[in-house]
Amino acid sequence: EVRLVQSATEVRKPGESLRISCQTSGYTFDYYWIGWVRQLPGKGLEWVGIVYPGDSDTRYSPPFQGRVTISADRSANTAYLHWDTLNPSDSGIYYCARHLVGPHRDAFYMDVWGKGTPVTVSS
Amino acid sequence: DVQMTQSPSSLSASVGDRVTFTCRASQNIATSLHWYQQKPGGAPRLLIFSASSLQSGVSSRFTATGSGTDFTLTIASLQPEDFGTYYCQQSQSGVTFGQGTRLDIK
Repeated sequence: EVRLVQSATEVRKPGESLRISCQTSGYTFDYYWIGWVRQLPGKGLEWVGIVYPGDSDTRYSPPFQGRVTISADRSANTAYLHWDTLNPSDSGIYYCARHLVGPHRDAFYMDVWGKGTPVTVSS
Repeated sequence: DVQMTQSPSSLSASVGDRVTFTCRASQNIATSLHWYQQKPGGAPRLLIFSASSLQSGVSSRFTATGSGTDFTLTIASLQPEDFGTYYCQQSQSGVTFGQGTRLDIK
């Protein structure tokens, strides 16, 4: 069974750094894109970006480019989402999701999801 | 950016009803369109990928069609467990989601 287990709720102050994690099992980690989707309270879904663990290739959505770093540890079968400097606008629930690729390059969709990590950034 | 617009924003239906959701893309996305269901407090769940392919384990009462800019998701006979919010997502150019359609059971 494919499982994505996410790290626990985080509360941070503006300006702090943060890394959240997504530990995977049940499939070959190296061979699937894995990434992050944000959901603001009561709102819709926003795609953050992804990493391909096999070669550490990454893709980011423009609003998140430069604000976050997505990485993968192949020895731990774990993906990460990192902020150097948090802002209150970074608050939300962050879901990790395994990505599959459709008929053409970069035609991503998400077949398995973690339960989400709530992040609150507030002074 | 490809904008995705879902309609209606919410709807209420009875068990046994046939329910249809609509998703429209701001430009041609071929069949790079996928549908998800999200229940309150839960993670999204993939229902349909590539416009019309049923994800493994999903009930066959869910069907979807469309290509280009207009897409539909249909529930043939609504069941109590089908409540939640339904999202479409395109992956022809980047990845973007629609704003969702909330489905309540009468």
